[in-house]
Amino acid sequence: QVQLVQSGSESKKPGASVNISCKASGYTFNYFPLNWVRQAPGQGLEWLGWINTNTGNPTYAQGFTGRFVLSLDASVSTAYLQISSLKADDTALYYCARVAKGYSDYGNWYFDLWGRGTLVTVSS
Amino acid sequence: SYELTQPPSVSVSPGQTAIITCSGDDLGNKYVCWYQQRPGQSPVVVIYQDTKRPSGIPERFSGSNSGNTATLTISGTQTMDEADYYCQAWDTRTLVFGGGTKLTVL
Repeated sequence: QVQLVQSGSESKKPGASVNISCKASGYTFNYFPLNWVRQAPGQGLEWLGWINTNTGNPTYAQGFTGRFVLSLDASVSTAYLQISSLKADDTALYYCARVAKGYSDYGNWYFDLWGRGTLVTVSS
Repeated sequence: SYELTQPPSVSVSPGQTAIITCSGDDLGNKYVCWYQQRPGQSPVVVIYQDTKRPSGIPERFSGSNSGNTATLTISGTQTMDEADYYCQAWDTRTLVFGGGTKLTVL
């Protein structure tokens, strides 16, 4: 079954760090870039960036450099999002999403497969 | 930074046509896709590359894109279409989402 399985909900205090995982199955992991998108409660979708599943090279959206780190372990078909120095406004549902047609046509990607999201709650 | 603007809400009666717009500078020269997000669920693409419909998406969903506006049209809207809809495009290697439109079918 083609799917992205994300790790469970996290509850953290401000200033802490969190590591979210996204495990791919049912397809060849390195054929498709993985992106990360977050959604604050009651809000819209916000793109964080993407990771090259061949090289592990990350690309970050503006505003998501520094505290946000994308990585992967290709041996277990898993991508990770680490967020450090958590703030209350990092509270959101974090999704990983697969690019539909692989690496072709960069700049026109869309997502055909999404994880179910990992809820990160930051509160003192 | 590039912005995509959507109306916050659209209401339609069952069986009628729902039109959701997405505006951005020179948007007609970019590819637009649309996601449907039902409450408590992950987004699902319903239109990609302006007009294409993925397999499994009903024919009542269609898209267009010209000038500064992309449009998602749902013909014969059903109650199951009630959801949030997001447009998405790329600008200089940066992915941008619209703010989302809540479609109410009543």
